[in-house]
Amino acid sequence: EPEVTQTPSHQVTQMGQEVILRCVPISNHLYFYWYRQILGQKVEFLVSFYNNEISEKSEIFDDQFSVERPDGSNFTLKIRSTKLEDSAMYFCASRDSYRQETQYFGPGTRLLVL
Amino acid sequence: SQELEQSPQSLIVQEGKNLTINCTSSKTLYGLYWYKQKYGEGLIFLMMLQKGGEEKSHEKITAKLDEKKQQSSLHITASQPSHAGIYLCGADRRGGGNKLTFGTGTQLKVEL
Repeated sequence: EPEVTQTPSHQVTQMGQEVILRCVPISNHLYFYWYRQILGQKVEFLVSFYNNEISEKSEIFDDQFSVERPDGSNFTLKIRSTKLEDSAMYFCASRDSYRQETQYFGPGTRLLVL
Repeated sequence: SQELEQSPQSLIVQEGKNLTINCTSSKTLYGLYWYKQKYGEGLIFLMMLQKGGEEKSHEKITAKLDEKKQQSSLHITASQPSHAGIYLCGADRRGGGNKLTFGTGTQLKVEL
């Protein structure tokens, strides 16, 4: 069964460093999302992406964050200068079409900023 | 912003027992999703409800959405250790596959 994959599964970085989290959505899906979950807290929406542009973003998704679909399969989240509070589990999700609305989530990347 | 409250926050049941988890929204929803998360892992899609009064079942799990589309319940019949995990409800407020707003989650433990 097709699934969303994410790499790396874990990443440790120093404060101020740039990180890129990678996702391979389900093939033929058209809508892509990033969510994050700080330890012990709710899963929070970051950004949605469709047709090579951001559809919607949350207040969390400030200028330090960016997303890109560099090729036909990958979807990336970049954090330019990480902060301690960026430590969280980051989930990628994808959805098929306008009618098929279910979002399928990847296993997540656990990011730890020291 | 859309608020979702889940209850209970945690639940311990003996294997074979039935249980119910509730999810309540302060506003009418377009759609309500149920996911399961094992600690430190991704979200596994369980079911989506869109119509008032809708009920869906998969194996031993049944989800219902009330007529006002503000409250949903997830019922597990004859619980098994494999049902253990964190159950999350997610709200789609506008449709069109927009962002999901999640509840706080219900942690379920099933004792042998």
